[in-house]
Amino acid sequence: GAVVSQHPSRVICKSGTSVKIECRSLDFQATTMFWYRQFPKQSLMLMATSNEGSKATYEQGVEKDKFLINHASLTLSTLTVTSAHPEDSSFYICSAETGTGDYGYTFGSGTRLTVV
Amino acid sequence: GQQLNQSPQSMFIQEGEDVSMNCTSSSIFNTWLWYKQDPGEGPVLLIALYKAGELTSNGRLTAQFGITRKDSFLNISASIPSDVGIYFCAGQYFGNEKLTFGTGTRLTIIP
Repeated sequence: GAVVSQHPSRVICKSGTSVKIECRSLDFQATTMFWYRQFPKQSLMLMATSNEGSKATYEQGVEKDKFLINHASLTLSTLTVTSAHPEDSSFYICSAETGTGDYGYTFGSGTRLTVV
Repeated sequence: GQQLNQSPQSMFIQEGEDVSMNCTSSSIFNTWLWYKQDPGEGPVLLIALYKAGELTSNGRLTAQFGITRKDSFLNISASIPSDVGIYFCAGQYFGNEKLTFGTGTRLTIIP
């Protein structure tokens, strides 16, 4: 089946530094990937839609200069949290549109970001 | 952004009991999805629904697409320990790639 790999699974960084999170489609090509943020005991909130070869589309209220998204190939999208602050600590999850199967979206296993 | 309302917010049941949860929206969706999320993991798709009134099963799980297209229901029969987790509904509008997630129902099994 379609597999989406996310790396790293956990990262701790110092306040003010930048962190890059990778989302890879392992056995299929994904023209569209999605990035979500999930705070403890809350639901998934869509941050942005990542399209291969073009600029990402950000949801209202999400700072595009802070959360840089690059989708340079059909199997890789990256999310960079720039100048991270403690309030950016969250669980970040990506998903990719597979275009196959009963329903064409698969989620990665998430990245736990802690900013200290 | 918009969120779908899920009820109940949490459930504490004994193993073997049946479970029912629902999801409501103020607007119509064309696709309803049910996901399960384990701690520290991404959501995993359980059931996808595509037509109003549709009733679909996946093992002990049964979900229905409400006739008004503004709600959906998930039932779990004869719960087992591995059913513990958070269940999310999600809706999708026709022609829109984005998913809107529900607020979640946390299922706990009491020993």
